[in-house]
Amino acid sequence: DGGITQSPKYLFRKEGQNVTLSCEQNLNHDAMYWYRQDPGQGLRLIYYSQIVNDFQKGDIAEGYSVSREKKESFPLTVTSAQKNPTAFYLCASRSGSTDTQYFGPGTRLTVL
Amino acid sequence: GQQLNQSPQSMFIQEGEDVSMNCTSSSIFNTWLWYKQDPGEGPVLLIALYKAGELTSNGRLTAQFGITRKDSFLNISASIPSDVGIYFCAGQLKGTSGSRLTFGEGTQLTVNP
Repeated sequence: DGGITQSPKYLFRKEGQNVTLSCEQNLNHDAMYWYRQDPGQGLRLIYYSQIVNDFQKGDIAEGYSVSREKKESFPLTVTSAQKNPTAFYLCASRSGSTDTQYFGPGTRLTVL
Repeated sequence: GQQLNQSPQSMFIQEGEDVSMNCTSSSIFNTWLWYKQDPGEGPVLLIALYKAGELTSNGRLTAQFGITRKDSFLNISASIPSDVGIYFCAGQLKGTSGSRLTFGEGTQLTVNP
C-alpha cells in the first residue's frame, strides 16, 4: 500500500513535555511538509524539507523542530516552548511529477 | 505573507443543487489546487490547475485557474450527500527554498437530502 502514514491518530501529553509526531511515506517523494490546523481554520505551514538533511521554517515554526535523516521520514517535535500546542497536525509529501501535495490522515494532539 | 480569501465560508444546499466557491489572492500563484477534507481526516486532492485560464473537470467537479493567476473557482454540479465536507483552495508558489502552499480558510458545505 503506497501512501503517507502518521501515528498515533490521537496523542495526549501533559503541559511542559516535548512530544514527537511521526510521518512516514513510501511514495518516493523528495519533499515533505508539516502543517497545523486549528478548528474552523485553514492549514498553516510549520516546516518543510525539499531533500534529505535539509529543511526550512514555514510560517509558524516557533516552538517546533524537525529532522530529515531519511527520505521516507520527517518527524515533528512539539517542544514545551510552543505556547498553544493543542491542534490537528498534518503531514504531506509532494510529487515531483505532478507538483501536487498529498496528505496523511493527521494526528490530533491534546496537551492537558 | 500571502493570503487567500475563500468564499463563502459556509453553504447549506439541497441535494441536487449546484455549488460554486472561489478564492482570490493579492499575489499570483504558479498552481492552484482544490482539496476536500472530511472531519478528522487529511485533505484529499480534487483538482490541480497549472496554467492561467485552464478549466479542468473531475466528474461533477469543475475548476478554473483565473487569467490573472490570482484567483480560482470550484463548481460542484448536482450535489449529493457525500459532498458534505470542507473544501480548501491552495495556491502554490515555487521559490528558491522550494514549493510552498498557501491555503484558504475553507468552505464548509452541508447538503440536505
